[in-house]
Amino acid sequence: TQLLEQSPQFLSIQEGENLTVYCNSSSVFSSLQWYRQEPGEGPVLLVTVVTGGEVKKLKRLTFQFGDARKDSSLHITAAQPGDTGLYLCAGRLFGSGNTGKLIFGQGTTLQVKP
Amino acid sequence: DAGVIQSPRHEVTEMGQEVTLRCKPISGHDYLFWYRQTMMRGLELLIYFNNNVPIDDSGMPEDRFSAKMPNASFSTLKIQPSEPRDSAVYFCASSHLAGGYNEQFFGPGTRLTVL
Repeated sequence: TQLLEQSPQFLSIQEGENLTVYCNSSSVFSSLQWYRQEPGEGPVLLVTVVTGGEVKKLKRLTFQFGDARKDSSLHITAAQPGDTGLYLCAGRLFGSGNTGKLIFGQGTTLQVKP
Repeated sequence: DAGVIQSPRHEVTEMGQEVTLRCKPISGHDYLFWYRQTMMRGLELLIYFNNNVPIDDSGMPEDRFSAKMPNASFSTLKIQPSEPRDSAVYFCASSHLAGGYNEQFFGPGTRLTVL
C-alpha cells in the first residue's frame, strides 16, 4: 500500500498542452516535495511546500499543497519536450519528528512530444 | 561540490555472487539514504543513516542485504548472495536537515543486473 498515490502514472502529450499531476494520501504531511528524474540520473528537487494551501510557481510549473496537507498537485502550462521525465512527490509524515525520512510516491512518467 | 558519488555506475554479475555498491555523500551532510528503483515498485527506501548510525533498516528486503557507514564520507550496500530479482537501479542520497525541510541530493545510481 502506497502512502502517497500519484496519478496518472503515465502521460503522453503534445508540446504546448497543459497538464496536472496529482499526489494524494490519507495521511497528513508536514512538508511535501516534488522531484524530477531524467533517464540515467537521480531525482532532483523542484520545490518544497510546507503550509496548507500554499502555492508556489517555478516558471511554467505551479505547485499546490492541499489545505489539509494530505495532497498536492503539479500543473505544467504549455509543456515542452524538455519537461519530459519522471515526476515524484515525496513527503515527510506529520509527527515523524526530525527523522529526515521521506515517503515517495510511485511517480508519473511524462512524455512531451514535439 | 562534486555531489553524491556512486560506484560502480553499472554492475553485471551472476546469481550467487557478492555485490558491493559504494557511495560518497556530500561533505557536511548528516543523513545518508539507500534506495532501490524498479519499474514495478518505484523508489523504495532500503535503509538510512544519521551521523553514520543506522536509523531505519525496515526497508531492507532480507538478510542478504547489509549496509555500513564506517565514516561520514563513505557507505556501502552489500548483497550476498545476489539473485536475479535484485536487478534494479540503486541510489544513494544525502541530506542535511536544516530547519526541518531537507532536500535529498541523489547520486547518479548504480544499475545492477544479476543474471
